[in-house]
Amino acid sequence: DVKVTQSSRYLVKRTGEKVFLECVQDMDHENMFWYRQDPGLGLRLIYFSYDVKMKEKGDIPEGYSVSREKKERFSLILESASTNQTSMYLCASTVQGAGPQHFGDGTRLSIL
Amino acid sequence: DAKTTQPPSMDCAEGRAANLPCNHSTISGNEYVYWYRQIHSQGPQYIIHGLKNNETNEMASLIITEDRKSSTLILPHATLRDTAVYYCIVRAIYNFNKFYFGSGTKLNVKP
Repeated sequence: DVKVTQSSRYLVKRTGEKVFLECVQDMDHENMFWYRQDPGLGLRLIYFSYDVKMKEKGDIPEGYSVSREKKERFSLILESASTNQTSMYLCASTVQGAGPQHFGDGTRLSIL
Repeated sequence: DAKTTQPPSMDCAEGRAANLPCNHSTISGNEYVYWYRQIHSQGPQYIIHGLKNNETNEMASLIITEDRKSSTLILPHATLRDTAVYYCIVRAIYNFNKFYFGSGTKLNVKP
């Protein structure tokens, strides 16, 4: 079975802090994604990566950056956390083609 | 990618089959239908996907109409643990970054 592991289930940080969210997948997938999920807004794509060191902006990249130094790991960085970034963050991975995206269990991030 | 329409909620008795409908009337020939579910406070869980033929796996069956404008996810013997929000998603094969989750159907499995 595909395993996508997010480093933390719950995280509390302060406004202005630099925040790192880590995601690791064990299936050698080329593509990895970061989403945030908010009530009434569904899942929104922040960034995705289709290869090591490659990244593409999603629908809401402002205030975020990403890093993919190894194929199995994709990091989301909040450069200077703000309260409107309080959300559930979800990482996913997939192969090319028709394969489904597989999600981690999410990180519920609170910015105080 | 085509839009999908799902009922906001459904009830099902434990042990009975749960049939969750999805309308995707604007689907095009290269678009697949995917089903996911999300149990409260967890990440979305992949269930099944298909192009035009019916599909079955250990979790569920997917029935796609011949004109591909709608589909039904069938959980053959629903349990309380199947209570979740179920999402139907349509995506073209080349749009690997285009997974749009709508509002889904909240399935309530009752004893």
